[in-house]
Amino acid sequence: EIVLTQSPATLSLSPGERATLSCRASQSVSSYLAWYQQKPGQAPRLLIYDASNRATGIPARFSGSGSGTDFTLTISSLEPEDFAVYYCQQRSNWPGFTFGPGTKVDIK
Amino acid sequence: EVQLVESGGGLVQPGGSLRLSCAASGFTFSSYWMSWVRQAPGKGLEWVANIKQDGSEKYYVDSVKGRFTISRDNAKNSLYLQMNSLRAEDTAVYYCARADYGDHGDYFDYWGQGTLVTVSS
Repeated sequence: EIVLTQSPATLSLSPGERATLSCRASQSVSSYLAWYQQKPGQAPRLLIYDASNRATGIPARFSGSGSGTDFTLTISSLEPEDFAVYYCQQRSNWPGFTFGPGTKVDIK
Repeated sequence: EVQLVESGGGLVQPGGSLRLSCAASGFTFSSYWMSWVRQAPGKGLEWVANIKQDGSEKYYVDSVKGRFTISRDNAKNSLYLQMNSLRAEDTAVYYCARADYGDHGDYFDYWGQGTLVTVSS
């Protein structure tokens, strides 16, 4: 089973700052990685798929990079609505999928 | 507008059964892989099961194999999850999700609002 780890567990930043979130896989997942945003009481929202492709309607301030075992989600300038929990997800060992434990981005 | 609406959650005793439903609208349901993803209270996300467009392929996370059954009715634009032999560790919000991109529906691009399943005596 491929295990995803995310760091940091919590990221405290102010609006307008740059956020850099990390996701590391226990073995290579090629570019088969996605990022999701989840706000309290809401369902997750797909942000990035195949490591670097923005999903439909996702603002350009969200970007993804990486391949193999190391991936990064960058939010170039935090908006108030971006404070949430972010999960990475891999499909490399399809038909199974696994998610990372999440990174909470909260207001400093 | 894509909509996924789950129903059927509730309180059930350990060893009991429950059937979740997901009503889909706003897209051609029969063209997409569909999945169930769950989230235990205060915890992260866990993929549970997925099903091919025509229902011919179904896959499960190891922890639910032999207990849960995913199915779909394309004529009714509906997805189902039959859950038997429920355990306390199955307590979670269960989300219905559309799977898109890639060859097999590799990522979850639309989600329902979730339905809470609580397994407790």
